[in-house]
Amino acid sequence: KAGVTQTPRYLIKTRGQQVTLSCSPISGHRSVSWYQQTPGQGLQFLFEYFSETQRNKGNFPGRFSGRQFSNSRSEMNVSTLELGDSALYLCASSPGQGAIQPQHFGDGTRLSIL
Amino acid sequence: SQQGEEDPQALSIQEGENATMNCSYKTSINNLQWYRQNSGRGLVHLILIRSNEREKHSGRLRVTLDTSKKSSSLLITASRAADTASYFCATDPTSGSRLTFGEGTQLTVNP
Repeated sequence: KAGVTQTPRYLIKTRGQQVTLSCSPISGHRSVSWYQQTPGQGLQFLFEYFSETQRNKGNFPGRFSGRQFSNSRSEMNVSTLELGDSALYLCASSPGQGAIQPQHFGDGTRLSIL
Repeated sequence: SQQGEEDPQALSIQEGENATMNCSYKTSINNLQWYRQNSGRGLVHLILIRSNEREKHSGRLRVTLDTSKKSSSLLITASRAADTASYFCATDPTSGSRLTFGEGTQLTVNP
């Protein structure tokens, strides 16, 4: 079974631009969660999608948004990029909603803002 | 703020030794999970322990949970150089529905 796939692996953008990251979950998994990982803040929860609906949201500004498609693939968008958005963005999938099951992570997208 | 706090922040041991990492959390939980992250990679799930369990084993891993003290420990026995990684605890709080991660312990196993 293929694991969670995130594309692209690396991305360099400049301030003010926008970016879209993609996540393909494990086949059959309907929940996709996104996290931001930085050396200073650690792993911060962004949002969770289940059956194309956002079920949970972390404390991030509205510049961070996402969506999930009918095949459970998810995208995350960040608009008006700031230097502080430089981070490793991780996607995780699980069969069901919530945190009662182990999360399966992709290798992340490393986003660098110049 | 993070729900869990790992202790120590960094640990360096020799191959063959045991490694113990601790995690403390603040609120009631449904379960607690441990993950490993190799440099530049995603997290890998190691073990899940439910709030009504006290101890769980998986291969060379042993996890304990003390809900009265709101703490957990991860023991890796007979460590190997390949165990070098960051280890995170994550809690599933009863008041919410998302995993909350600690700041991690960086484990270095020297050959």
